[in-house]
Formats: sequence, C-alpha cells, structure tokens
Amino acid sequence: NAGVTQTPKFQVLKTGQSMTLQCAQDMNHEYMSWYRQDPGMGLRLIHYSVGAGITDQGEVPNGYNVSRSTTEDFPLRLLSAAPSQTSVYFCASSYGGVESTEAFFGQGTRLTVV
Amino acid sequence: QQQVKQSPQSLIVQKGGISIINCAYENTAFDYFPWYQQFPGKGPALLIAIRPDVSEKKEGRFTISFNKSAKQFSLHIMDSQPGDSATYFCAAREKTSGSRLTFGEGTQLTVNP
Repeated sequence: NAGVTQTPKFQVLKTGQSMTLQCAQDMNHEYMSWYRQDPGMGLRLIHYSVGAGITDQGEVPNGYNVSRSTTEDFPLRLLSAAPSQTSVYFCASSYGGVESTEAFFGQGTRLTVV
Repeated sequence: QQQVKQSPQSLIVQKGGISIINCAYENTAFDYFPWYQQFPGKGPALLIAIRPDVSEKKEGRFTISFNKSAKQFSLHIMDSQPGDSATYFCAAREKTSGSRLTFGEGTQLTVNP
C-alpha cells in the first residue's frame, strides 16, 4: 500500500518556468489537498478538493492551479514560478466528510526557484 | 491571520524529561484538534488527536490537554527520548470544512541523550 506518492522529490526551476507537481493516492480518499511548508509558518493550505471534478482555494492559492479529474490524482501546477514559491510542498489525502479525521501526507517536494 | 498559534518555536529537553508544546486558537467552530509529528525529509504523520468534549487524551507517553474555555490545548511528551526529536505541529479543523486543517507554526523538539 503506497499511500500518498509525490513526484518529484526535488526540483529547481528558473523564474518564469512552469511545472506540475504530481500527487497520487491509492486509498480511495475523497479529500485531497496541497500545503506549502515554510520555516516558522507551519503548513498553509494552497488548494483542496472534496472529490473528482471539485476543487477550491485554500489560504494561499495565488500562482497555483489544480484539477481533479480522477479520485486518485491531484496535480498542482505552477504557472510562472517565482522565488517566493520556493518551499516544500506536501500533498495530503483523507476520507473526507465531517467525520473524517486523519490526513495522510506524502513525503514532499522540495522546490527551489532561482 | 494565524488562527492557530503555537509555542515555543524550538525546545530542547534532556532524555527522560517532559516536553510541553502549547497551542491557542480563536475559531470556536473548530471541533477536532490533531497533533502531527514530522521527521526530517518526511511528511507529517498523525500522532494523537482530541475532540473538545474531553479535557485530556493519553496514548502511551503522549498526552493532549484541552481547555475549551481558554481555547488552548497542549501536547505533553513524558519520558522524552532522543527518537522523539522531530518537528511537532498542532492543527485544528472546522467541522463544516470537511478535512481542511489549519496548522500552527511548528515546534522543533530536540531531546538530548
């Protein structure tokens, strides 16, 4: 059981480049989300999805796009990378719904924008 | 604004000692308060969680104390071990938000042997 898989683990981008961070889960979870982790700021929610075809913005959505065409996959797109997007990105999934509890996190993607 | 505030930012404890991390929240709609543990290079993993209808929850050496009137909760690690050295995040979830979590800033715990 792989859980939540993120690729790539590391990435260096030049300012203005675009890229997609991949996230896949094999637990049939309805809810998926993307967080960024910055020193001293905890994890901040970027975008989330409550099911296939449904996405919404979190706390820090600017500069990022998401889509959810399948239950398993939730890619995060950086349209035009900026140095301020240098961060560690985590994808998470959970069963969803008001009774949902534990969120399962991937191992993260460390992104550097130069 | 930071809806969940966590302190201290870093904590150094001797082996066998008690580690205490505190969190405070503003939103009274939060109904679920988990703690996550993160080791270097890994994603956060659920450690222990509590709902506001109880004042304390204990799992092994880890205890959450919850004070609903003060809107505060804390993690106590008894008999701290070097293997507990990690970053700890408190979090909170608003019931109507499904699984959206709001995290504290994190505490880097170091347990010296």
